Amino acid sequence: GDSVTQMEGPVTLSEEAFLTINCTYTATGYPSLFWYVQYPGEGLQLLLKATKADDKGSNKGFEATYRKETTSFHLEKGSVQVSDSAVYFCALTGSARQLTFGSGTQLTVLP
Amino acid sequence: DVKVTQSSRYLVKRTGEKVFLECVQDMDHENMFWYRQDPGLGLRLIYFSYDVKMKEKGDIPEGYSVSREKKERFSLILESASTSQTSMYLCASRRQRSHEQYFGPGTRLTVT
Repeated sequence: GDSVTQMEGPVTLSEEAFLTINCTYTATGYPSLFWYVQYPGEGLQLLLKATKADDKGSNKGFEATYRKETTSFHLEKGSVQVSDSAVYFCALTGSARQLTFGSGTQLTVLP
Repeated sequence: DVKVTQSSRYLVKRTGEKVFLECVQDMDHENMFWYRQDPGLGLRLIYFSYDVKMKEKGDIPEGYSVSREKKERFSLILESASTSQTSMYLCASRRQRSHEQYFGPGTRLTVT
């Protein structure tokens, strides 16, 4: 079945540092890929998405590129802020159009 | 602005109690979902509903049931709560042909 593997946390960075959170997936067919973010005390919000190979999703300074050859969708941001502290989930929808989530990565950004 | 609301943010129940978790969306979405979120496990799908009166089992339906009598409301029922059901429960909704799900704030349930 479909699965998502993302780097384990927690990740702690200083403000303005570069962020990468790795995500790889296993799926049949051509899944759509997503990054969701969960701020403290809140539900999940869609951060960005990509629906086909080589697409780049971007939002709020975050980017991720759909790499079919490496089955990856790594999340990057050039300069993180304290307000980016949250849990980040990589996810995909396969042929059944149900979301399959990774285990989540806790990011803490220190001032 | 899209809105998914859940009846409680925090809930404490005793083992063996029947527990109802309510979810309401105001976006006229056809599809609704219940997940539980546990540290290190991400989100796991319990049940989902494609439309009113319809329901499908997700990955971990054991010990749960659901009800969807109206399009905007999707209820999760724990028939006899157990300590293993202590978790964060998240509801989501989605338009029929879309991939994007909208999530509620979650209910943190503790069963003692």
